[in-house]
Amino acid sequence: DVKVTQSSRYLVKRTGEKVFLECVQDMDHENMFWYRQDPGLGLRLIYFSYDVKMKEKGDIPEGYSVSREKKERFSLILESASTNQTSMYLCASSSLAGGGNYEQYFGPGTRLTVT
Amino acid sequence: DAKTTQPNSMESNEEEPVHLPCNHSTISGTDYIHWYRQLPSQGPEYVIHGLTSNVNNRMASLAIAEDRKSSTLILHRATLRDAAVYYCILRDGGRSGTYKYIFGTGTRLKVLA
Repeated sequence: DVKVTQSSRYLVKRTGEKVFLECVQDMDHENMFWYRQDPGLGLRLIYFSYDVKMKEKGDIPEGYSVSREKKERFSLILESASTNQTSMYLCASSSLAGGGNYEQYFGPGTRLTVT
Repeated sequence: DAKTTQPNSMESNEEEPVHLPCNHSTISGTDYIHWYRQLPSQGPEYVIHGLTSNVNNRMASLAIAEDRKSSTLILHRATLRDAAVYYCILRDGGRSGTYKYIFGTGTRLKVLA
């Protein structure tokens, strides 16, 4: 079974703290993605990566950065957490070779609260 | 970017078929239509996808309009375990191999026993 794991299910941080959200996949996938999910807004793409050390901005990258030093690991960084970054964060991965499907496999999510 | 429109919520009785509609009037010729669902406290999971022709798999069927401006996900016999938020997504080709998804806000399906 494909597995995408996220470092924490729940996280509480203070305003101004630097926050690291870690995501690891075990299927040797090339693509990895970070989304945030908020009520009424659905899933919105923050950043994605299609190869080690490669990254591209998604729809809402402001206030976030990412790091992909190894193929299996994709980190989301909040340089200075703010209360409007309180959200559910979802990581996903997909393969380049999917026969046209390019199915994304999602982790269970990290619910981040910034106080 | 092309977008999708879905009803916010729908209800179905257990063991009955469910038709979940999705409008995507600005779809481009190379956009694939994907459906994912999100069970409570879990990340989304793949259900089905298609380009032009209707598709069937063990989970559901996907009916795509001839003009591709709308599609319908069909659950043939809803069970209580099918209660979830269903997302209709257009897959944006973008940079080769990246295949970014454009999520809508989804339809919350409630299944009544």
